[in-house]
Amino acid sequence: QQPVQSPQAVILREGEDAVINCSSSKALYSVHWYRQKHGEAPVFLMILLKGGEQKGHEKISASFNEKKQQSSLYLTASQLSYSGTYFCGTVEVMNRDDKIIFGKGTRLHILP
Amino acid sequence: NAGVTQTPKFRVLKTGQSMTLLCAQDMNHEYMYWYRQDPGMGLRLIHYSVGEGTTAKGEVPDGYNVSRLKKQNFLLGLESAAPSQTSVYFCASSYSGLNTQYFGPGTRLTVL
Repeated sequence: QQPVQSPQAVILREGEDAVINCSSSKALYSVHWYRQKHGEAPVFLMILLKGGEQKGHEKISASFNEKKQQSSLYLTASQLSYSGTYFCGTVEVMNRDDKIIFGKGTRLHILP
Repeated sequence: NAGVTQTPKFRVLKTGQSMTLLCAQDMNHEYMYWYRQDPGMGLRLIHYSVGEGTTAKGEVPDGYNVSRLKKQNFLLGLESAAPSQTSVYFCASSYSGLNTQYFGPGTRLTVL
């Protein structure tokens, strides 16, 4: 089942903060975040496993609330290079044949 | 170390024609995936493989076939192309279902 991302799009000025949410109607084992710049392939940001951990990557961090079946991606003091489309992907059950199902993406545009 | 490569980069087909997209990875990854990306739809999984000789259906498998005869290659076939298959196709590979997915540069396919 495809996770739901919100907002669909957001425009920020450089230096502002943003939060992107990802929610599922099913219990999750893990949440994966990727960023795709225009005309390029998606690039991995981070993986969060169930346990409610929060991870960080430069000024980009994320949290995972397995009880609420939600994850949030936090971008602080945004930079022009953060522009792109952010995808969350979810894994419902961990077994050999499991796969990531991606959401529709959140478009982020940073203005100078 | 080329990572994940895809051939061809662009292709135009007429309705009813067939073609094969080739994905190759040199990272000795077990898992390989084929996605299609359409505007506003995110990344949708077509088929995937968890090892040489294995294949499994993803979210949108109809109209496509795949083969994984060699660990490093994952082929996506369209037997009778339809305009609805116009899309950008991405291949990805990973060590396991929970690890980072590395994406190829994509193939832009247009079916007239």
